[in-house]
Amino acid sequence: DAGVIQSPRHEVTEMGQEVTLRCKPISGHNSLFWYRQTMMRGLELLIYFNNNVPIDDSGMPEDRFSAKMPNASFSTLKIQPSEPRDSAVYFCASRPVTGSDTQYFGPGTRLTVL
Amino acid sequence: SQQGEEDPQALSIQEGENATMNCSYKTSINNLQWYRQNSGRGLVHLILIRSNEREKHSGRLRVTLDTSKKSSSLLITASRAADTASYFCATDAGTYKYIFGTGTRLKVLA
Repeated sequence: DAGVIQSPRHEVTEMGQEVTLRCKPISGHNSLFWYRQTMMRGLELLIYFNNNVPIDDSGMPEDRFSAKMPNASFSTLKIQPSEPRDSAVYFCASRPVTGSDTQYFGPGTRLTVL
Repeated sequence: SQQGEEDPQALSIQEGENATMNCSYKTSINNLQWYRQNSGRGLVHLILIRSNEREKHSGRLRVTLDTSKKSSSLLITASRAADTASYFCATDAGTYKYIFGTGTRLKVLA
């Protein structure tokens, strides 16, 4: 199994630009999570999908952030417009079935907003 | 916040020694997990311990849970240089939501 796939692995952009991060969960997993990791705030849950439906987006910092999961094999996290304080590593994780507690993390996307 | 707090924040030991990391949390949990993160990588699940368990083993890992003190510890025995990583505890905050702690950075010197 290829594991959770994220792209791009690194993204450098300028303030004000739109950024789209992509995630392909492990096949057969029905839960997907987006996290943000920074030195100051640690690992924060941004949004959680179950069966492609957003269940909890209370961690999304503000309206500039949006996430979609159009099908079971693909999700995007979009930031528009981006700001320097959005610089972080963004992780996607998937989980096999509802009730299973183990999350499988992707390698992350390191975002730098200049 | 139910965020777990790991202690110590950083730990440096010699290869072959044991490493102990602690996690404290604030509210009742159903289970607690430990994850490892190598530099530049995603988190990898190590072990899960349920609230009705007091101790669990997996290879060189030993996890304890004290629900009365709201704390857990992760012991890595006979550490190796490859164990160098950050270690996080994660506590459940609902049926799907886990809150990750701040992490312990472990460095094992060869």
